[in-house]
Amino acid sequence: AQSVSQHNHHVILSEAASLELGCNYSYGGTVNLFWYVQYPGQHLQLLLKYFSGDPLVKGIKGFEAEFIKSKFSFNLRKPSVQWSDTAEYFCAVSGGYQKVTFGTGTKLQVIP
Amino acid sequence: DVKVTQSSRYLVKRTGEKVFLECVQDMDHENMFWYRQDPGLGLRLIYFSYDVKMKEKGDIPEGYSVSREKKERFSLILESASTNQTSMYLCASTTRKGQHTEAFFGQGTRLTVV
Repeated sequence: AQSVSQHNHHVILSEAASLELGCNYSYGGTVNLFWYVQYPGQHLQLLLKYFSGDPLVKGIKGFEAEFIKSKFSFNLRKPSVQWSDTAEYFCAVSGGYQKVTFGTGTKLQVIP
Repeated sequence: DVKVTQSSRYLVKRTGEKVFLECVQDMDHENMFWYRQDPGLGLRLIYFSYDVKMKEKGDIPEGYSVSREKKERFSLILESASTNQTSMYLCASTTRKGQHTEAFFGQGTRLTVV
């Protein structure tokens, strides 16, 4: 069975601070990895995805994530956050049958 | 523009009622999913379907059933609604064509059971 763990439930940062959100997954085979974002009152949107190739993946709005296979991790990063990045972030994994399993989410609050 | 459409944004139902949540996608996707989203619990998979008339239980199927009679439509049924089923329900779809299995989501249905 596949699973995803997000260790940070609530993160508060000041504008311009750097961000790193942790994500670990478990699955025995080849996986596809995703980060989704949900802005207040809006539906889930894809931030970035990893399927194969370069383990450093760049997404929208300056976000990036690094796939480290040996650590079963796919951490999300952004060098300098903005107030508009306030949202909830979900890590997800897709394995067998392309079933998509989500983590519990991390709420990011950016203080101006 | 790809689209997953859920029939209602908000629903209020009484305890014991039978509730139908409908989801339609126009992308010819093979896989469809129903999740519920609760604060602090993230998205939990209720049921998914990888083909017409096929269904698989997710992590929390108790109290729910599903129907997929046509490829584009996936219905979630609460046979007898209870207050602990008050939640945000999200429908999603993915394709098995190629490797790009990202999920496309509907706007969600906020169900309140009173």
